[in-house]
Amino acid sequence: DAKTTQPTSMDCAEGRAANLPCNHSTISGNEYVYWYRQIHSQGPQYIIHGLKNNETNEMASLIITEDRKSSTLILPHATLRDTAVYYCIVRPRDNYGQNFVFGPGTRLSVLP
Amino acid sequence: EAQVTQNPRYLITVTGKKLTVTCSQNMNHEYMSWYRQDPGLGLRQIYYSMNVEVTDKGDVPEGYKVSRKEKRNFPLILESPSPNQTSLYFCASALTPGRAYEQYFGPGTRLTVT
Repeated sequence: DAKTTQPTSMDCAEGRAANLPCNHSTISGNEYVYWYRQIHSQGPQYIIHGLKNNETNEMASLIITEDRKSSTLILPHATLRDTAVYYCIVRPRDNYGQNFVFGPGTRLSVLP
Repeated sequence: EAQVTQNPRYLITVTGKKLTVTCSQNMNHEYMSWYRQDPGLGLRQIYYSMNVEVTDKGDVPEGYKVSRKEKRNFPLILESPSPNQTSLYFCASALTPGRAYEQYFGPGTRLTVT
């Protein structure tokens, strides 16, 4: 059973902010939201994660709604190198026995 | 350079011929994991290891074996490969099981079983 729902694909103009949504309406109180990306045929790359507060790092910002049922990954100034598949995953942070499940993700195309 | 390496990168084999895909990391990571990626299915976890001699099944372990005799190595073994194991395989590692969310992935091994 999918725990997250993401759009299949999105386009974004180079230099603009890319906003990637993720729905996780059945998220539990102890589950975090994680984002990864995968550039064509390379291994996935961790981007950011959060529980309920908004988070920012050098790569992106993560906005989580107050009810935690959805979140948005923001790439503030998308470049062509940000073209990739982006995965949203929910998982308890310290549940060693729970596997990472990467769904189909969102294919982001950054256009010149 | 800190990295996860996999060998071979590409492999074409025949049904039933045992093979091993090696995975090695030089970051002294405790946690290691194997995934397979198939079109439309995303990445699915095969096996993971929280430390030396500690391994556990992921979502799709059937047809695979692993071992973790040393901290740096986590080979994936296909005893009798079948065509449905044709896939792109990724090995990953993380500093500790508690930081498994921040996994470092290898470059991938593309396996074709005919």
